[in-house]
Amino acid sequence: GQNIDQPTEMTATEGAIVQINCTYQTSGFNGLFWYQQHAGEAPTFLSYNVLDGLEEKGRFSSFLSRSKGYSYLLLKELQMKDSASYLCAVLDSNYQLIWGAGTKLIIKP
Amino acid sequence: DGGITQSPKYLFRKEGQNVTLSCEQNLNHDAMYWYRQDPGQGLRLIYYSQIVNDFQKGDIAEGYSVSREKKESFPLTVTSAQKNPTAFYLCASSSQGDYNEQFFGPGTRLTVL
Repeated sequence: GQNIDQPTEMTATEGAIVQINCTYQTSGFNGLFWYQQHAGEAPTFLSYNVLDGLEEKGRFSSFLSRSKGYSYLLLKELQMKDSASYLCAVLDSNYQLIWGAGTKLIIKP
Repeated sequence: DGGITQSPKYLFRKEGQNVTLSCEQNLNHDAMYWYRQDPGQGLRLIYYSQIVNDFQKGDIAEGYSVSREKKESFPLTVTSAQKNPTAFYLCASSSQGDYNEQFFGPGTRLTVL
């Protein structure tokens, strides 16, 4: 079966750094997405990784290791507005997105 | 402005009634998707369509139906056969190809009383 695992909830302090991990087991791999979703709203695209390594985009970075079936999203200089759920999704061999359950990130002052 | 619209934002229905959720996109995307999201859970695929007049069942298609008569439109009907219809419904679209970033509409929260 196909499976994507993320922690259910994480808490961090404003101004700090947090790393959200995602491990996956899928039938094939054609890329990994990270989306941000605020409560009651639609997910919005953050990053896409298809090759191993780190992709940096402002305060957010995403890392991929295909051999380990592992990715993480790194958020720096946390702001209160970063309180949201972060969804990991893998594009499988049929180019279908397989979604993790999401990690709820709580930022405290 | 290009984007995806879903209406209404909130919808209430009595048990036993069918209800249709609309989804329209002007991004010229070939593929469209319907997801259901329950509290504390990830997105679950209901139906998807990669081309006009064709669609496939996702993981939880029972109790739902769709049509794709136009490229821009992909309405979802929640039928009385769906046992637990109360949920947040999200429509998405993407272009065909290797890079399959999906763009989402604002969602419809359906409550069945």
